[in-house]
Amino acid sequence: GAVVSQHPSRVICKSGTSVKIECRSLDFQATTMFWYRQFPKQSLMLMATSNEGSKATYEQGVEKDKFLINHASLTLSTLTVTSAHPEDSSFYICSATRDTQETQYFGPGTRLLVL
Amino acid sequence: LAKTTQPISMDSYEGQEVNITCSHNNIATNDYITWYQQFPSQGPRFIIQGYKTKVTNEVASLFIPADRKSSTLSLPRVSLSDTAVYYCLVGTFSGGYNKLIFGAGTRLAVHP
Repeated sequence: GAVVSQHPSRVICKSGTSVKIECRSLDFQATTMFWYRQFPKQSLMLMATSNEGSKATYEQGVEKDKFLINHASLTLSTLTVTSAHPEDSSFYICSATRDTQETQYFGPGTRLLVL
Repeated sequence: LAKTTQPISMDSYEGQEVNITCSHNNIATNDYITWYQQFPSQGPRFIIQGYKTKVTNEVASLFIPADRKSSTLSLPRVSLSDTAVYYCLVGTFSGGYNKLIFGAGTRLAVHP
């Protein structure tokens, strides 16, 4: 149990385009989902926290207009990187929790390369 | 959120027991301690979680002293496939979720 998937696993796009990444909890309903970014050889950086039906809470320094998060259901959250630029190239990872007393279960990550 | 300190890297050999210690001097009363494992280009995988004393599961043990200012992840008889980055995190279940802030982690290399 507690499986989280992401789609796509990797994506290459041109500078200026928008990219949408999906995060799904496959066998449970996620009260909260999180989005992280990880650059090579670095640790995970929390970008934002989202609860179903509510606006996402962004960490300091993360542009909410650039990284749009939608959490439309208890099993799906999406991250849209708008007007992507090469510096947005990174490994994006989502996670989800089942309830308030549980830890986070992570997805496999999405590799984004902006040319 | 409590800050954690771990060794940047460790080396071991197959079959040995590996102990990774994490310091969290400012841990709060409601904070839990969680360890994750991450392989390159993959999301972190939950290993173990504890609050105090000792916790054991099928893959690891977690030792937490009475003052809870540190914790030790113990991996018995490591194999080459245990080569990964291990993260120690301290987070509080509050506001409906557990917010985790990742530190640098410990890069474990297991040699033949």
